[in-house]
Amino acid sequence: KAGVTQTPRYLIKTRGQQVTLSCSPISGHRSVSWYQQTPGQGLQFLFEYFSETQRNKGNFPGRFSGRQFSNSRSEMNVSTLELGDSALYLCASRTGLQETQYFGPGTRLLVL
Amino acid sequence: QKEVEQNSGPLSVPEGAIASLNCTYSDRGSQSFFWYRQYSGKSPELIMFIYSNGDKEDGRFTAQLNKASQYVSLLIRDSQPSDSATYLCAVNEADFGNEKLTFGTGTRLTIIP
Repeated sequence: KAGVTQTPRYLIKTRGQQVTLSCSPISGHRSVSWYQQTPGQGLQFLFEYFSETQRNKGNFPGRFSGRQFSNSRSEMNVSTLELGDSALYLCASRTGLQETQYFGPGTRLLVL
Repeated sequence: QKEVEQNSGPLSVPEGAIASLNCTYSDRGSQSFFWYRQYSGKSPELIMFIYSNGDKEDGRFTAQLNKASQYVSLLIRDSQPSDSATYLCAVNEADFGNEKLTFGTGTRLTIIP
């Protein structure tokens, strides 16, 4: 069974731009979560979607948004990029909200 | 603010010895606990999960859970240089009825040949 995939793997943007990241979960997984990982803050939870509904949200500004499609694929959008948004963005999927999460390879975003 | 705490390390262990990684959590309602390993520049990969008090063994890895003390640990026996990585403890916490996985900041483990 194929793992979680994320595209693109690397991105370079400039301040003020917006970016959309994509995540395809493991087949059969209905939950997708997004995390931001930086050296200083570790893994920070952004939000989780289950069956197209946002089930939980972390403490990030409204510039960070997401959505999930009927095929469970998810996108994350960051508007008005700031230098501090430079990070590894990880997507994880699981079958249900109590189950084990499996991570994708991540998208490394650099904001200049 | 519900927290998951780990000693950031670095923890250095001689090859062949036992590495012991510890994690404490604040939410008494937590039901499931996970250990992930993350190599530099890579994404976290699941090593073990544990739901019940006591020990759970999988090969060279043993997870230990004590809900009364809100403490979970990971033991790595016969440590190998390939075990050098950052180990992340994660706790599935109930947040206003919606489960959320909260991660510790990780412990960096170095196995010395």
